[in-house]
Amino acid sequence: AQTVTQSQPEMSVQEAETVTLSCTYDTSESDYYLFWYKQPPSRQMILVIRQEAYKQQNATENRFSVNFQKAAKSFSLKISDSQLGDAAMYFCAYRPLSSGSARQLTFGSGTQLTVLP
Amino acid sequence: ETGVTQSPTHLIKTRGQQVTLRCSSQSGHNTVSWYQQALGQGPQFIFQYYREEENGRGNFPPRFSGLQFPNYSSELNVNALELDDSALYLCASSLSSLAYTQYFGPGTRLTVL
Repeated sequence: AQTVTQSQPEMSVQEAETVTLSCTYDTSESDYYLFWYKQPPSRQMILVIRQEAYKQQNATENRFSVNFQKAAKSFSLKISDSQLGDAAMYFCAYRPLSSGSARQLTFGSGTQLTVLP
Repeated sequence: ETGVTQSPTHLIKTRGQQVTLRCSSQSGHNTVSWYQQALGQGPQFIFQYYREEENGRGNFPPRFSGLQFPNYSSELNVNALELDDSALYLCASSLSSLAYTQYFGPGTRLTVL
């Protein structure tokens, strides 16, 4: 079974600074996707960034980038130039590519990010 | 383009009752997945529906059941409610069962007293 671990329950960052959220996962699959979702107090889960495991290049979306280390099964999220609107719970999620499964998302337990003005 | 919507927003039930939660998928999406998110935890997969058929199930008892309709909207039914069923229930839709990105609705907060 796949597991996703986020070892930082809480993180804080000063506005305009950079913060990195950690995520590790365990899987025997070779092909899969990894995601970071953001859940603000409004509860809506919003996709921040995704990474295909077969791609060596790290994904980037504006101020958000990932450091994907496939051999280490590590998938961290870097937020640059942090803004007050980035404050939220961040979830790392894994999805297998293989057939024969519902390809559901497996989530970590989340990291609560606070942005300090 | 309309996003994923869920109803109701909040719901309070008592132990032993039954509840139905509803989800309308994003336009053009034929796959709906349901997740349970207990307070302070990450979402847990309940099941997925693809073209009106259950397409996979997580580790939830049979009293959790679902439906998907021809317009791809979906229902989650929970019978014999227990206190531990109190949670945020999230619905997510995707273009197909093969699509790797799921788009989430705002959730239904269920409280069981």
